[in-house]
Amino acid sequence: AQKITQTQPGMFVQEKEAVTLDCTYDTSDQSYGLFWYKQPSSGEMIFLIYQGSYDEQNATEGRYSLNFQKARKSANLVISASQLGDSAMYFCAMREGRRGYNKLIFGAGTRLAVHP
Amino acid sequence: GAGVSQSPSNKVTEKGKDVELRCDPISGHTALYWYRQSLGQGLEFLIYFQGNSAPDKSGLPSDRFSAERTGGSVSTLTIQRTQQEDSAVYLCAEGNNEQFFGPGTRLTVL
Repeated sequence: AQKITQTQPGMFVQEKEAVTLDCTYDTSDQSYGLFWYKQPSSGEMIFLIYQGSYDEQNATEGRYSLNFQKARKSANLVISASQLGDSAMYFCAMREGRRGYNKLIFGAGTRLAVHP
Repeated sequence: GAGVSQSPSNKVTEKGKDVELRCDPISGHTALYWYRQSLGQGLEFLIYFQGNSAPDKSGLPSDRFSAERTGGSVSTLTIQRTQQEDSAVYLCAEGNNEQFFGPGTRLTVL
């Protein structure tokens, strides 16, 4: 079974609108971390936001917020006020186990296109 | 990525040749990771280092792949007798929680 599932291969949004990118995960660990990365066409992987499994508040970083629903095992990324520069691939990733030296497991990604 | 450089940025090689990819983290994190990304795919974990030791090599696809890290800093990923299926972007990352990625090396095996 896939550990990280991103069901939207592609999404588009109108500039200045909000968009939600879906991510569900599967783990039996109680301690884990969830990450979102952005990959523009240049290829670099840019860290956006992190949510720990024990964090009670949803993580926010500027225009990015993570809608963490632990019981549903979902960690959706919400981008508010979309900008043309947000057009990119977005990857959800999970670290199993406690915070520390652990590999990340990535989903297949969602390609977001922001239209003017 | 914050403080990670990789070289070369592009490498084209012939099938059967050996290649060496370099990762040079700057930020001093003890944890360093190698991933690869095939065309249109997500990232696949290869190996991680804690200091100069590699506690998890589980992602290395075959014994043609090896990696080392020296001085708790620079790491090299070596692929021997390259095959066409090795063509991918090889990414290095550092970080003890959030991982910060280098720009990657695009490897093309002809």
